[in-house]
Formats: sequence, structure tokens, C-alpha cells
Amino acid sequence: AQSVTQLGSHVSVSEGALVLLRCNYSSSVPPYLFWYVQYPNQGLQLLLKYTSAATLVKGINGFEAEFKKSETSFHLTKPSAHMSDAAEYFCAVRDTGRRALTFGSGTRLQVQP
Amino acid sequence: DAGVTQSPTHLIKTRGQHVTLRCSPISGHKSVSWYQQVLGQGPQFIFQYYEKEERGRGNFPDRFSARQFPNYSSELNVNALLLGDSALYLCASSFRQGDEQYFGPGTRLTVT
Repeated sequence: AQSVTQLGSHVSVSEGALVLLRCNYSSSVPPYLFWYVQYPNQGLQLLLKYTSAATLVKGINGFEAEFKKSETSFHLTKPSAHMSDAAEYFCAVRDTGRRALTFGSGTRLQVQP
Repeated sequence: DAGVTQSPTHLIKTRGQHVTLRCSPISGHKSVSWYQQVLGQGPQFIFQYYEKEERGRGNFPDRFSARQFPNYSSELNVNALLLGDSALYLCASSFRQGDEQYFGPGTRLTVT
């Protein structure tokens, strides 16, 4: 079964600093990987997805992620954090059988002024 | 265009009661999935429906059931509620099974 592990339940950065949120996956087949963002009291919004085309994936709001097979990683980055980026971020892998999503435990991003 | 809608927004139930949650997918989407998100955790898959048939089930007890209607809307039913069922229940729709999923705002269920 596929799974994802998010390293760090809380990450705090200063406004304007680099954002790096870590995700490692476990999959016996080429995975489909996703990053979602959840603002307080809201549902999930898709930031970006990897579907085996390009290894560097660009998403919305200036976020991007790089698929590294050798490291089984799909880390999320943003060059310069905004206050509005403060939210919970989830990495997910699509189950090849059921085609449902398996989520990590989430990383809460705080942005300090 | 309207996104995925869910009702009700919030719900408070007592242990042992039954609850029905509703979801309307994005127009044209034929697949609906349900997820449970307990506070402080990532969402967990409960069910997936496509073209009114169950296509996937997560590791949840038989107290949980769902169905999809001819207009592709869906209901999630939970019987004999336990305190541990308190969570945010998320519905997601996609055009076909396996396509990109779009999430609704969720229903916050509190069991007392």
C-alpha cells in the first residue's frame, strides 16, 4: 500500500523567507502525488500534482515541488513566504487500486512578520 | 460555477444516534469520495462512488454507509454514533474515478 510521511508537524518561517515542507512517499509503482492546503475551517485546495510528466511541478500561489525518485521525496517549496500562506499543508498519494487519496498527517505553517 | 457543496455545515449529535451528511458534486462530475478528518490529523478515505456504484471502501466499520443518487449527489450515513466519530467529514468530487479531486468545505460533526 502506498503511504506518505510528512516530516515536521509545525514549521515557522519569517515573512519573505524560503518555505520548505517535507514529504516522503512509499510506493511500489510510480506514484501520483499531490499537495493540498487547508485554511482554518475550510476544505482542501489543490496546490499542485505530480503525474509522471515533469519532475518539477509548479502550482498555485508561487508554490512548486520536485519529485525525486532516488530520495522518494516530493518536498514543497516557495521562495518567499507571505502572511497569507499560513495554513495546514497535506501531502497525498493516490492509491492505484481504489484511486482514493492517502494523506500525510499534515504540516502547520506559521509565518512570522 | 458552484464548487462542491455539503450540508449541514455543523452538526451536534448524541452517542448512539444516527446522522446523514449530504454532498452535491461539481456539475458534470460523476465521482464522489468521502473522507473523515479527525482534529490534528490528515483526512482518511471512507468511500468512493462512481456512476452510482461503490468503487472503493476504506477501513471503516459497517456503521458507515453511503450511496450516490442518479443526479450524482451523495449521502454518508453513520449509525450508532461514537464519541470517536467526531470529525470534519469532507466530500470530494471528480469527473471520473481517479481524476483530480475537488473538495467541499466539510461538515463538522460533534458527538457528545
